[in-house]
Amino acid sequence: RKEVEQDPGPFNVPEGATVAFNCTYSNSASQSFFWYRQDCRKEPKLLMSVYSSGNEDGRFTAQLNRASQYISLLIRDSKLSDSATYLCVVRTSNTGKLIFGQGTTLQVKP
Amino acid sequence: GAVVSQHPSWVICKSGTSVKIECRSLDFQATTMFWYRQFPKQSLMLMATSNEGSKATYEQGVEKDKFLINHASLTLSTLTVTSAHPEDSSFYICSADGLADTGELFFGEGSRLTVL
Repeated sequence: RKEVEQDPGPFNVPEGATVAFNCTYSNSASQSFFWYRQDCRKEPKLLMSVYSSGNEDGRFTAQLNRASQYISLLIRDSKLSDSATYLCVVRTSNTGKLIFGQGTTLQVKP
Repeated sequence: GAVVSQHPSWVICKSGTSVKIECRSLDFQATTMFWYRQFPKQSLMLMATSNEGSKATYEQGVEKDKFLINHASLTLSTLTVTSAHPEDSSFYICSADGLADTGELFFGEGSRLTVL
């Protein structure tokens, strides 16, 4: 079993749609959780950290369920510019290595 | 925010040659840097953890004699792909912890290696 699992997609949605990505992780000792965004042939960039209480940043909402070892990302009112691969990332400590999921590809169409 | 710079962005080389990739932390000191590799349509796979002043820690399956890592200063780590072969063609990315202990890593721009 992979340490971090995501549905690779692709998710093809129209502009304005709401889309949700899910991610599960296997190490119950994991402490830090993130969603990164990666554009084609570019390095990953932090989209948002994920906190136990859930957090929102504009159109993006992240949720963490430690009991189920499950992380989610919700994107509302999708824009064309949201088209990218979204990487679920887990870290066992604030200084340990990052473990990446396979990534979920989102394609927002006009 | 913290910035990590990687060089070169692109490199094309002949099979059998060695290629060095540099990773610099521009406005902070990084005692630990991480090197990742990403093949097309796949996720980032950690290759090794680079520790300033000591030997790198390699992940299982990564040949330490082929992928030489040197972290001689707090702002520079290098990855040398020795005797590169076409199967080593990949996107290599370095990363480092930022100034705040938030768990967030900052990534270099990546180096795309093509071995002919």
